[in-house]
Amino acid sequence: GAVVSQHPSWVICKSGTSVKIECRSLDFQATTMFWYRQFPKQSLMLMATSNEGSKATYEQGVEKDKFLINHASLTLSTLTVTSAHPEDSSFYICSVAQGASLANEKLFFGSGTQLSVL
Amino acid sequence: AQRVTQPEKLLSVFKGAPVELKCNYSYSGSPELFWYVQYSRQRLQLLLRHISRESIKGFTADLNKGETSFHLKKPFAQEEDSAMYYCALKERPGGGGADGLTFGKGTHLIIQP
Repeated sequence: GAVVSQHPSWVICKSGTSVKIECRSLDFQATTMFWYRQFPKQSLMLMATSNEGSKATYEQGVEKDKFLINHASLTLSTLTVTSAHPEDSSFYICSVAQGASLANEKLFFGSGTQLSVL
Repeated sequence: AQRVTQPEKLLSVFKGAPVELKCNYSYSGSPELFWYVQYSRQRLQLLLRHISRESIKGFTADLNKGETSFHLKKPFAQEEDSAMYYCALKERPGGGGADGLTFGKGTHLIIQP
């Protein structure tokens, strides 16, 4: 299966600063990556779909200007939390879809990034 | 909008006992259902998917469209099955495309020795 590397694994920042999270597909060229967020005791929630070479598709309720996604290459997608606030503190996970057809398509997940905004 | 419900936050069973993790979904179309597992200190990984009709690590799950359920079952639990299990749904309106998943809140399965 695809190897997905996510960095950093945790980050602490001051309110008002911006934080960039990287998601790399190490052994697979991913045209599509997904960004999820998980608040404590809650489920993973899809935030956006990152498409290589085009604009990301955001889920309802997710601010595109706050969560900037860049998917400039087939192996790297970045999520930048701009002007972070304490309510943005969460666990962010990226995933990569791999498969030649719907029948064998699988999602592989990064190890996640724990963001704490002070 | 689609929704996935896992009614049990925590399920504790003894080793060797049968296990059933419940999952119900709400979706007007024809979805694809998955079970994902996260072992302690490991990343989330796919356990099984309904279209494959496979058995992984002794686990099976059958999609029941009438009851809109996709319960995960294993006849004899093992200690290494202790983990967090997530049921997930993917829309399949046109039968193609890489779509993100809608997850349930997860069930923490604990297998007691």
